[in-house]
Amino acid sequence: GAGVSQSPSNKVTEKGKDVELRCDPISGHTALYWYRQSLGQGLEFLIYFQGNSAPDKSGLPSDRFSAERTGGSVSTLTIQRTQQEDSAVYLCASSTPARGGEGSYNEQFFGPGTRLTVL
Amino acid sequence: KNEVEQSPQNLTAQEGEFITINCSYSVGISALHWLQQHPGGGIVSLFMLSSGKKKHGRLIATINIQEKHSSLHITASHPRDSAVYICAVRYMETSGSRLTFGEGTQLTVNP
Repeated sequence: GAGVSQSPSNKVTEKGKDVELRCDPISGHTALYWYRQSLGQGLEFLIYFQGNSAPDKSGLPSDRFSAERTGGSVSTLTIQRTQQEDSAVYLCASSTPARGGEGSYNEQFFGPGTRLTVL
Repeated sequence: KNEVEQSPQNLTAQEGEFITINCSYSVGISALHWLQQHPGGGIVSLFMLSSGKKKHGRLIATINIQEKHSSLHITASHPRDSAVYICAVRYMETSGSRLTFGEGTQLTVNP
């Protein structure tokens, strides 16, 4: 079956422009995560969606970053007024609802990522 | 200081060698993941475990909850195993299921 897909795969933009990154999770996966991997650094959490709501936005680095999810499916990560330090690979992951209820979990499946370069 | 520590940071091995990558963390977790990232950047989940040991092919993952430590073993290593291996944990006190990642271990297996 289809995995997590992300678009675009590569995005080059000029400093100060806005960008939108898209994530299509695996069908039926209600949990969706955005992560960022800067050059030479490890992965860092940005935001988590359960359905259309985002109970944890604590990883968003500034108010220039926002994300939404509609229909419990596609998610868009928007970066306004991009800066050079925003250059990174942005990864999306999704997981199925866990049967154990609140606090339980399932394996996360990662998309291929969007490589963002801000000139 | 990263809350998830991996060692070694870099590892070079000869084909056929037994490989061990270690991961330690500081507070209680509900789950630990081992991930593989190939040079193209794609991430594949190898294991998710909360206790004991799991095996898949030549890969074995173990976790000791009391010692807050996990190991990933690769038996009969092969050049195609060359990748970055990442340990990630889900802390008990964290809402949702966000992961906290180690810095990764770059493994190179030479033929």
